[in-house]
Amino acid sequence: DQQVKQNSPSLSVQEGRISILNCDYTNSMFDYFLWYKKYPAEGPTFLISISSIKDKNEDGRFTVFLNKSAKHLSLHIVPSQPGDSAVYFCAAKDNTGKLIFGQGTTLQVKP
Amino acid sequence: NAGVTQTPKFQVLKTGQSMTLQCAQDMNHEYMSWYRQDPGMGLRLIHYSVGAGITDQGEVPNGYNVSRSTTEDFPLRLLSAAPSQTSVYFCASRDRGANYGYTFGSGTRLTVV
Repeated sequence: DQQVKQNSPSLSVQEGRISILNCDYTNSMFDYFLWYKKYPAEGPTFLISISSIKDKNEDGRFTVFLNKSAKHLSLHIVPSQPGDSAVYFCAAKDNTGKLIFGQGTTLQVKP
Repeated sequence: NAGVTQTPKFQVLKTGQSMTLQCAQDMNHEYMSWYRQDPGMGLRLIHYSVGAGITDQGEVPNGYNVSRSTTEDFPLRLLSAAPSQTSVYFCASRDRGANYGYTFGSGTRLTVV
């Protein structure tokens, strides 16, 4: 049973536009949520995180929004750049310290 | 500062063989984890550790063993390799920092034939 789900396998946007990546979760005990970015043949790299007690966290072009009642979070990238093309993973931490990942969404930013 | 180092980068095993994937970090991180990445499945947690001498199972632990005798090292052992264990394996570590962001290694691509 997948506790963290990214239902869109891929997303394509134009350079300069907004990219919105979505993630849903089922476990109400998750207390921290993270986004990772992964290029081919490399390990994932940490992008941004948000505590379950907040609803928004911003870092430069990246903003993560959390809707606890809907068990949904999203990552906004504005403006999108070709270098943002990668696989994005949503992850959630439970109270034992385990980090559970979603399936990933492949973002393509077209010049 | 090497970060998280995984060896080997590539490995081909025959069904039934055993091997150990090595993972070492030089950041004095307490938390370490092993994940496998498969197409359409994302990253799935195999085993994790919150400190030397402490390990616990993740989502897909069957067929794998771990131990954590030192803070730096967290090897993953495949007891009897099966084709279903063909995957890319990632080791990751983090400290007790507030953002909970793991640092990942570059991965080991394992093929079991």
